[in-house]
Amino acid sequence: EIQMTQSPSSLSASVGDRVTITCRASQSISIYLNWYQQKPGKAPKLLIYAASSLQSGVPSRFSGSGSGTDFTLAISSLQPEDFATYYCQQSYSTPRTFGPGTKVDIK
Amino acid sequence: EVQLVESGGGLVQPGGSLRLSCAASGFSFSSYEMNWVRQAPGKGLECVSYISTSGSAPYYADSVKGRFTISRDNAKNSLYLQMNSLRAEDTALYYCAREATTRQDAFDIWGQGTMVTVSS
Repeated sequence: EIQMTQSPSSLSASVGDRVTITCRASQSISIYLNWYQQKPGKAPKLLIYAASSLQSGVPSRFSGSGSGTDFTLAISSLQPEDFATYYCQQSYSTPRTFGPGTKVDIK
Repeated sequence: EVQLVESGGGLVQPGGSLRLSCAASGFSFSSYEMNWVRQAPGKGLECVSYISTSGSAPYYADSVKGRFTISRDNAKNSLYLQMNSLRAEDTALYYCAREATTRQDAFDIWGQGTMVTVSS
């Protein structure tokens, strides 16, 4: 089973800030890395798939990069609706494991 | 509209059973691999079970292996999770999620979740 880690586990930021979240896989997963956003009481929402492809309808301020074992999610200018928890997930092998999450809250 | 709707959750005593259902609509259900993902209160996401389009070669997390059974009925556009010998640690919100081969197997559609509470 591939283990996923994320850092930081939480961060405080202001509207307009640039935010980056990192994700690391325990072995190479090529670009089989996805990012999800989850708001309280809601199901997770797919933001980025295949490490850097933006899901339809997701604002362009979200971007992803990386390959192999190290990946990054960036939000170029944080908006009020972006305060949420973000999870990475590998889809290289079964089980499709998730990272522990990064909570982004208001400074 | 493409959607997944879970049902069947509830309060059950330790050792009891529940059967979760996930009704799919708006897409060709038989063409998609499906997953059950759970989230314990205040915790992260855990894939507990996966099923292929044909229903063969299911996957189970070690935490549920031997107790949970995933199945699907493509004619009814439905996914199921039979949960037996339930434990307090199975308490969670259970989501069904569609795996999109065109999105590098990412989970592109999720249901709203159904809550399972295991308590005496």
